[in-house]
Amino acid sequence: DGGITQSPKYLFRKEGQNVTLSCEQNLNHDAMYWYRQDPGQGLRLIYYSQIVNDFQKGDIAEGYSVSREKKESFPLTVTSAQKNPTAFYLCASSGQGNEQYFGPGTRLTVT
Amino acid sequence: AQSVAQPEDQVNVAEGNPLTVKCTYSVSGNPYLFWYVQYPNRGLQFLLKYITGDNLVKGSYGFEAEFNKSQTSFHLKKPSALVSDSALYFCAVRDAGYALNFGKGTSLLVTP
Repeated sequence: DGGITQSPKYLFRKEGQNVTLSCEQNLNHDAMYWYRQDPGQGLRLIYYSQIVNDFQKGDIAEGYSVSREKKESFPLTVTSAQKNPTAFYLCASSGQGNEQYFGPGTRLTVT
Repeated sequence: AQSVAQPEDQVNVAEGNPLTVKCTYSVSGNPYLFWYVQYPNRGLQFLLKYITGDNLVKGSYGFEAEFNKSQTSFHLKKPSALVSDSALYFCAVRDAGYALNFGKGTSLLVTP
């Protein structure tokens, strides 16, 4: 997990509330990614950013939003429009070597 | 889109025996393939990658993977399994936008 931090580790929210998950990296990587993990479904891409002030939707972007104002930071907001937000969220970054390095994850529970 | 498939939900192996976790891929062009491991409630750890070159790729913790173009496979292997290898293993392929498409994962259980 070295070099990428996600906070908090566990997050609890009531239905209808927006919530923002933090992701910071000190690896000087240009690209950053957000994935969602559900049991038995692997990881699914929510958003990614290859450079500051630019980002693209992934496969399941509906109900989520991101920003990339700094190279080191790529926060994810889970909005009230996301129908099933309870999941394990993973942030990753990559440099020239193509492999992605992952943070420790945030487990979000919405009730 | 580029994709990978992991045909086994779970693999069981006795400690000290060789292990194989299977992955097949479907891509247009040359594949960029990866293996990751995940321990409970943790992020994914990079094990190894195939970009080009030798078909046998060596990675972390004694793991290796064999790229087979004719069979479109990229199986993960280890000559002698440890109980501590028990974890969830993911195969992945790089997509056009440099994001990764992951398989659904294979749970490896190594018994003493």
